[in-house]
Amino acid sequence: GDSVTQMEGPVTLSEEAFLTINCTYTATGYPSLFWYVQYPGEGLQLLLKATKADDKGSNKGFEATYRKETTSFHLEKGSVQVSDSAVYFCALSMEYGNKLVFGAGTILRVKS
Amino acid sequence: KAGVTQTPRYLIKTRGQQVTLSCSPISGHRSVSWYQQTPGQGLQFLFEYFSETQRNKGNFPGRFSGRQFSNSRSEMNVSTLELGDSALYLCASSLTLMNTEAFFGQGTRLTVV
Repeated sequence: GDSVTQMEGPVTLSEEAFLTINCTYTATGYPSLFWYVQYPGEGLQLLLKATKADDKGSNKGFEATYRKETTSFHLEKGSVQVSDSAVYFCALSMEYGNKLVFGAGTILRVKS
Repeated sequence: KAGVTQTPRYLIKTRGQQVTLSCSPISGHRSVSWYQQTPGQGLQFLFEYFSETQRNKGNFPGRFSGRQFSNSRSEMNVSTLELGDSALYLCASSLTLMNTEAFFGQGTRLTVV
């Protein structure tokens, strides 16, 4: 079945460091890809998305590019802040319906 | 506009009891999906409702059920609670069925003792 694999955490970085969280997927069709973020005690918020190959999603300094050839959607940010500390989930959704298949989540801790 | 509202925020139940959780989607949204989040299994899809009909179902036992009302509000029910049902239950609303952005509520934290 469809699945998402993302790098294990926690990832601990100093403020202003470069962030990469790897995400790869397996899907039978052409999924849309998402990154969600969850702050403590909160639900999930959509961070960015890409709906077709070579699309780049971006938001709040975060970016991810849909790479069909490597079935990847890695999350990057050039300079992290303490406020970026959260759990990040990579997810996919197939063409019909809104069912999301999530990766295990990556805890990000940013130190000042 | 108001976001997705889930009630209650916290629940404590005893094994064998049943529980009903409620979700009010964003105004105008017609699709509601439910997810279970646990430390061991992560985020797992339970089911999706659209126009009062279940459109998709995850791999959960029949003790987990749901419904959607004509105003798009949704409820999920878990009968004969087990300790393993302790989790954060998240509801997400979307405008249509066609793979649109999902907006999540803050969740209901269910503890089974």
